[in-house]
Amino acid sequence: SQKIEQNSEALNIQEGKTATLTCNYTNYSPAYLQWYRQDPGRGPVFLLLIRENEKEKRKERLKVTFDTTLKQSLFHITASQPADSATYLCALEKGYSTLTFGKGTMLLVSP
Amino acid sequence: DAGVIQSPRHEVTEMGQEVTLRCKPISGHDYLFWYRQTMMRGLELLIYFNNNVPIDDSGMPEDRFSAKMPNASFSTLKIQPSEPRDSAVYFCASSQTGDYGYTFGSGTRLTVV
Repeated sequence: SQKIEQNSEALNIQEGKTATLTCNYTNYSPAYLQWYRQDPGRGPVFLLLIRENEKEKRKERLKVTFDTTLKQSLFHITASQPADSATYLCALEKGYSTLTFGKGTMLLVSP
Repeated sequence: DAGVIQSPRHEVTEMGQEVTLRCKPISGHDYLFWYRQTMMRGLELLIYFNNNVPIDDSGMPEDRFSAKMPNASFSTLKIQPSEPRDSAVYFCASSQTGDYGYTFGSGTRLTVV
């Protein structure tokens, strides 16, 4: 069956460092992959989309890579700030504009 | 645009009662999705609509769940009768055709006692 894995343990890093979150998947061949941010008590917010023919995508301090051979996406936040603390979800396209979401990884950035 | 609007924000109801959740998508978006989020299972797709037509309801857990989209600006998710295991946060999201991100509402936290 299709499966998306994100590290269930929270990632704790110091302000200014680069945070790297991982999304692994099996039994998928998504045309694209998306990353979302979710704060407590709020809905997920779309951050970035990367297509299967793109290796890397950047947006300000965010960078996403997509390796369809390894079936893995990495999400980087450079120069992290306490305001970046949130849960980050990856989502894979499963056809007809629908997405399947991972359970997310919590990021905690300490001052 | 005010974004995707969901109501109510919180709902506490007794087992056996009917619950109706409401959603107003972003104008111009032709897809609408209902998701449920729990700690155990994460975000699960319940049903989605394209141009107000239900396309796939295979994620709806039981016949107790039903959803409608009578027009492009309104959708409802109904649970009748509700059970304690339905307690979760229910999100509505909308998007445009193509590889666009979803816009989520703030969700409805449902507690069934």
